[in-house]
Amino acid sequence: DQQVKQNSPSLSVQEGRISILNCDYTNSMFDYFLWYKKYPAEGPTFLISISSIKDKNEDGRFTVFLNKSAKHLSLHIVPSQPGDSAVYFCAARRWTGTASKLTFGTGTRLQVTL
Amino acid sequence: EAGVTQFPSHSVIEKGQTVTLRCDPISGHDNLYWYRRVMGKEIKFLLHFVKESKQDESGMPNNRFLAERTGGTYSTLKVQPAELEDSGVYFCASSSLTGGTEAFFGQGTRLTVV
Repeated sequence: DQQVKQNSPSLSVQEGRISILNCDYTNSMFDYFLWYKKYPAEGPTFLISISSIKDKNEDGRFTVFLNKSAKHLSLHIVPSQPGDSAVYFCAARRWTGTASKLTFGTGTRLQVTL
Repeated sequence: EAGVTQFPSHSVIEKGQTVTLRCDPISGHDNLYWYRRVMGKEIKFLLHFVKESKQDESGMPNNRFLAERTGGTYSTLKVQPAELEDSGVYFCASSSLTGGTEAFFGQGTRLTVV
């Protein structure tokens, strides 16, 4: 039972264009959604997050949109740069009041081409 | 400031042997998490420590896995006896606030059971 899904295993985008990575979830108890970026042989690096009570959060070139009714979020990268090439993981947090648990998707490999 | 560090970076052991993974969180971080990524799939939650206490160990696969965090500093994850399906990358993460959303990940330990 996969509660967080990233249905696109890979995405290729030209440098300077917009990259859009998508994520769907099923559990209404998630209160925060996060995007992590991962380079080979490294751990995931936090990129941006959004509270479940918001619908947009922006940080520089990165914007996350949340559509709670559709249980869907997306990460927009504008403009895309070659250094953005990595695997992007969508994660959803469940906070129990004393414990925190992240549920991750399977990742989308982004390749930004010249 | 040092990030989350994990030892060893790679481990190859035979089925039936014991392996102990170590994680040193960022200094001062009370929250420590273990996650695992198997065969390029999603990153799965194993457990969450607050200081030396296990807040949530619902993701631990079975009783062959034992996590400890004596003194509330570094943590170890022991697998005894290891099975083939335990192969994967084990990530440790830490965060300062129990309710905080951003967790910092280590580079991971790649465990191969042959």
